[in-house]
Amino acid sequence: DTAVSQTPKYLVTQMGNDKSIKCEQNLGHDTMYWYKQDSKKFLKIMFSYNNKELIINETVPNRFSPKSPDKAHLNLHINSLELGDSAVYFCASSQNYNEWQFFGPGTRLTVL
Amino acid sequence: GESVGLHLPTLSVQEGDNSIINCAYSNSASDYFIWYKQESGKGPQFIIDIRSNMDKRQGQRVTVLLNKTVKHLSLQIAATQPGDSAVYFCAEPLGGSQGNLIFGKGTKLSVKP
Repeated sequence: DTAVSQTPKYLVTQMGNDKSIKCEQNLGHDTMYWYKQDSKKFLKIMFSYNNKELIINETVPNRFSPKSPDKAHLNLHINSLELGDSAVYFCASSQNYNEWQFFGPGTRLTVL
Repeated sequence: GESVGLHLPTLSVQEGDNSIINCAYSNSASDYFIWYKQESGKGPQFIIDIRSNMDKRQGQRVTVLLNKTVKHLSLQIAATQPGDSAVYFCAEPLGGSQGNLIFGKGTKLSVKP
């Protein structure tokens, strides 16, 4: 059983489009996160949700918006995609805010 | 500023040898550190963690050492296997935002058969 799943695994789109990446965790964790990994493998946190409340909002463009319909899901919506948004996006979850995080398989986003 | 860095970006070892991956951190108030392994095309996978009240912690074939005096962290892998080939990251929570993991730049470990 997949603990943290993301869809789609690959996403290729044109500049200016709006897209979403879905994330689900079946671990019963209270906190979920989104990370961006660039071409140099540098991982940077974007958002986290704890009990459906946004508790971290890094200085990412407001074109990015996380949405959590329930504790098991944290989706990432991206408006007006730009070339620089091309990266691998990882969803993660943890039991609470002070424990190690379990990562999903990643979504490779390519903006043309 | 606070940062997590790595001394070596790449490490090549012979199968069966021990590997040591190093990490330096700058925030002396950091109290929790995590090592992750990321294989090609996959998400980071938790390996081992350590809290600042410990100097050493052992797992299966892995040992993490924490030297708070020099703010240095290391991951030791015993009897390195081809399956250990991956990028290894150290990470720490940043300040009061405990969940805001700050990742180092990563060390790529290559195991030669």
